Amino acid sequence: DAKTTQPPSMDCAEGRAANLPCNHSTISGNEYVYWYRQIHSQGPQYIIHGLKNNETNEMASLIITEDRKSSTLILPHATLRDTAVYYCIVRVGGSAGNMLTFGGGTRLMVKP
Amino acid sequence: GAVVSQHPSWVICKSGTSVKIECRSLDFQATTMFWYRQFPKQSLMLMATSNEGSKATYEQGVEKDKFLINHASLTLSTLTVTSAHPEDSSFYICSAREDRPETQYFGPGTRLLVL
Repeated sequence: DAKTTQPPSMDCAEGRAANLPCNHSTISGNEYVYWYRQIHSQGPQYIIHGLKNNETNEMASLIITEDRKSSTLILPHATLRDTAVYYCIVRVGGSAGNMLTFGGGTRLMVKP
Repeated sequence: GAVVSQHPSWVICKSGTSVKIECRSLDFQATTMFWYRQFPKQSLMLMATSNEGSKATYEQGVEKDKFLINHASLTLSTLTVTSAHPEDSSFYICSAREDRPETQYFGPGTRLLVL
């Protein structure tokens, strides 16, 4: 699976949009971009995933660049409960893909 | 999203005893489940892949005789830490893969403390 690069930490003001970047310059054509987050002392929570089109759900939006070498997770109105470590993971989808490989992630601190 | 449970949520045991952790997919069937371990201030590390009805696949460096995995049904996988020692103290997290759409969902984790 392609390696990802994320900033180790970010701050965001409560109520503002949080934009978390991820670089995956070696991504292959059949690899998806997945985002998970881990709130302190809990298991990771699935947020969103995409292949090449932008995706949106009730939690967040995922913007993938046209060359697919980077992406941005957007939390439109961050709350204090969004404080967590956010992991960007690139992996093959479908039955050919299996485990998730976690990197260091980005520690997002939402401040009042 | 789909729900994965783990039991117990935390356990304290004496060195030399065995501890069993259960992982259940509550509202979907999972042919594949995964076991991860996380030490303080570190990221999750995959220990093994558990496939229903067959032997687990262990990652390099993980002792299969120490960490016994059983995936007897499509909704249950168990991890048994045998003869636990203090260095096995960690946060153990399972995940289950839902096939349609293909996404992994994680349990809340089990915190193990070996005295």
